[in-house]
Amino acid sequence: SQTIHQWPATLVQPVGSPLSLECTVEGTSNPNLYWYRQAAGRGLQLLFYSVGIGQISSEVPQNLSASRPQDRQFILSSKKLLLSDSGFYLCAWSVSGPQDTQYFGPGTRLTVL
Amino acid sequence: RKEVEQDPGPFNVPEGATVAFNCTYSNSASQSFFWYRQDCRKEPKLLMSVYSSGNEDGRFTAQLNRASQYISLLIRDSKLSDSATYLCVVWGSGGFKTIFGAGTRLFVKA
Repeated sequence: SQTIHQWPATLVQPVGSPLSLECTVEGTSNPNLYWYRQAAGRGLQLLFYSVGIGQISSEVPQNLSASRPQDRQFILSSKKLLLSDSGFYLCAWSVSGPQDTQYFGPGTRLTVL
Repeated sequence: RKEVEQDPGPFNVPEGATVAFNCTYSNSASQSFFWYRQDCRKEPKLLMSVYSSGNEDGRFTAQLNRASQYISLLIRDSKLSDSATYLCVVWGSGGFKTIFGAGTRLFVKA
């Protein structure tokens, strides 16, 4: 069966520090991968989407970036965090495109102070 | 107008009650619809997909009304364990964009 991992589970970072969140999927090949952010009391906002290695679509321009160095690995990064980057970051995968069911990882709760 | 709108609630219902949520969407070309459940501080989990003809899974029934551009979720015989936030999800044509509603909170009380 397929599983999706994210780490770390929680993170507290100072403003201006870098960020690296990692997501890996097991049990499937060539998944579509997604990064979402959920601010407190808000809906999920799609940040990045990837259909394959090195292929990244950005939905929202901001100080975040994403990379997919391996088929089942998706990384979310920032060079300098802002207070507004605080939130719950969720990685998800689907078999085909976003019209398909998406399965979420356990998430990373990021607090920027 | 938001692309996907849900009543945030909260809905407070007693055990055994029937409760219904609606979700409206603005893009008439939307093609895929889902209901997800999210427990406090956890990731969303798929509850059910919503098909044009409507579909049922145990105590849960989902309906799609394309003419009025909304989907609904009906929960019968509510259980304490149904307490959660229910997210409406819509995918439309053109671009890889899945829109999540902000969710409807449900509290089921003993």
